Amino acid sequence: AQSVTQLGSHVSVSEGALVLLRCNYSSSVPPYLFWYVQYPNQGLQLLLKYTSAATLVKGINGFEAEFKKSETSFHLTKPSAHMSDAAEYFCAVSHSGGSNYKLTFGKGTLLTVNP
Amino acid sequence: KAGVTQTPRYLIKTRGQQVTLSCSPISGHRSVSWYQQTPGQGLQFLFEYFSETQRNKGNFPGRFSGRQFSNSRSEMNVSTLELGDSALYLCASSALGSTTNEKLFFGSGTQLSVL
Repeated sequence: AQSVTQLGSHVSVSEGALVLLRCNYSSSVPPYLFWYVQYPNQGLQLLLKYTSAATLVKGINGFEAEFKKSETSFHLTKPSAHMSDAAEYFCAVSHSGGSNYKLTFGKGTLLTVNP
Repeated sequence: KAGVTQTPRYLIKTRGQQVTLSCSPISGHRSVSWYQQTPGQGLQFLFEYFSETQRNKGNFPGRFSGRQFSNSRSEMNVSTLELGDSALYLCASSALGSTTNEKLFFGSGTQLSVL
């Protein structure tokens, strides 16, 4: 079984401040981890993906995430928030499970960026 | 290349009715997955189709069904609608499907309201 917990359903930062969105996962096998972003009235868009090649993953729009196996975490960060980063962010976990594959999403974190 | 197209964008139905939602994947993509998104439950996996075959299914009642056509277009059907079926239904496509853990491309969704 696998699961994802996103700590904080709502995070508010000032423009230019550090963005930190937390994600912890549970998986019985080595996981694949994803961060997706959803802008208002749109579908989800992939920010970045971890597939065991490197623990620090760089994504689009200046975001990056670090896989920490000992902490079962995959937190998303961006050094300096921009107004356009306001959106809902979803962490997701999967594994190479063949017919039992399932991509499991967290409940999401709504990021607000204040001017 | 056109993105994932979902129609209709909005739907209003009454309890007991049935509804069919449509999804056209990116050209060349053979996998289509469906997700239900609600404020309380977040994103939940419904099913995945690959080359006209259902490859994986989530934990939803049999009132939720789907199919995929030879051109990879997919439809999702919900019969005997309940108030709790009100949600944003998202479709996602990928070239090779879930077993490769590749990036998913999402449509903007169909917002279903059941009155």
